[in-house]
Amino acid sequence: KAGVTQTPRYLIKTRGQQVTLSCSPISGHRSVSWYQQTPGQGLQFLFEYFSETQRNKGNFPGRFSGRQFSNSRSEMNVSTLELGDSALYLCASSFLAGMDEQFFGPGTRLTVL
Amino acid sequence: AQSVTQPDIHITVSEGASLELRCNYSYGATPYLFWYVQSPGQGLQLLLKYFSGDTLVQGIKGFEAEFKRSQSSFNLRKPSVHWSDAAEYFCAVRMNKLTFGKGTLLTVNP
Repeated sequence: KAGVTQTPRYLIKTRGQQVTLSCSPISGHRSVSWYQQTPGQGLQFLFEYFSETQRNKGNFPGRFSGRQFSNSRSEMNVSTLELGDSALYLCASSFLAGMDEQFFGPGTRLTVL
Repeated sequence: AQSVTQPDIHITVSEGASLELRCNYSYGATPYLFWYVQSPGQGLQLLLKYFSGDTLVQGIKGFEAEFKRSQSSFNLRKPSVHWSDAAEYFCAVRMNKLTFGKGTLLTVNP
């Protein structure tokens, strides 16, 4: 069974631009969560989607948004990029939402210049 | 709010030595508990999990962890460390979302 895939793996953007990251969960998994990892703040939860509905949201500004499609694939979007948005963005999938174990993709490394 | 504390930022052990990484959590109920490992530039790999039942859980790569409710702890152990175990280790609790500790960087000396 294929693991969680994320595209692209690396991305360089400039301040003010917007970016869209993509995540394909493990086959059969219906929950997708997104996390931001930075050296200073560590791993922080962004949001979780289950059956195309956002179930939970972390403490991030509205510039960070996401969605989930009927095939469980998910995208997250960051608008008006700031230097501080440079991070590794990790996607995780699970069969159920809320309590199930999550499996992570390799991440997308975003650099904002 | 739930929180996870990993008191050791960096640990160095010799290859073949035993290892214990500490994790304490703060939550009203017993959450689901996890240990993940991350190699440089990679995503997180699940080592083991605790949901309920036997408080000593076995994971992959020879790791085990013990849940102690009275101490709100979920420490990770390995009897004999291999050089390939060098990585960063994260303890996490899940109650709706995953909350991670700050991580412990493990260095293994030959």
